[in-house]
Amino acid sequence: GNSVTQMEGPVTLSEEAFLTINCTYTATGYPSLFWYVQYPGEGLQLLLKATKADDKGSNKGFEATYRKETTSFHLEKGSVQVSDSAVYFCAPNQAGTALIFGKGTTLSVSS
Amino acid sequence: NAGVTQTPKFRVLKTGQSMTLLCAQDMNHEYMYWYRQDPGMGLRLIHYSVGEGTTAKGEVPDGYNVSRLKKQNFLLGLESAAPSQTSVYFCASSHGTGVETQYFGPGTRLLVL
Repeated sequence: GNSVTQMEGPVTLSEEAFLTINCTYTATGYPSLFWYVQYPGEGLQLLLKATKADDKGSNKGFEATYRKETTSFHLEKGSVQVSDSAVYFCAPNQAGTALIFGKGTTLSVSS
Repeated sequence: NAGVTQTPKFRVLKTGQSMTLLCAQDMNHEYMYWYRQDPGMGLRLIHYSVGEGTTAKGEVPDGYNVSRLKKQNFLLGLESAAPSQTSVYFCASSHGTGVETQYFGPGTRLLVL
């Protein structure tokens, strides 16, 4: 079945540091790929997505590129802020199937 | 446009008690989902619905029942609560699967003693 692996956290960074959160997946066919973010005390919300190979999703300074050859969708941001502190979930989704979430990576940014 | 709302926000139950969690969405979405979130486990799908009157089991359905009598509502029931069902429950909805975004409610925190 489909699965997703994302790097274990917590990730602790200083403000303005570079962020990478790795995500790899296994799937039959070509899923759409999503990053969701959960701020403290809230539900998940979409951060960005990419629907086909080589697409780049971007939002709020975050980026991720759909790499079919490595089945990866790593999340990056060039300069994190304290307000980026949250839990980040990678999730592949194929049409007709349920979204599969990674276990989440907690990011803590200090000033 | 409220999006996805969940009732209640927090509840404490004793083992063996029953309760129903209500999810409502005002986006005319066909698909609705119930997840539970536990530390270190990510989100796990309990049940989902692909339209009014339909329900299907997810990854961890045991101990839960659901109903989708109206398109905008998706109810999650616990007939006899157990401490293992202590969790945060999230409802979500979407137009479809594949490329479609899921929209999440704020969550219900349930403690079973």
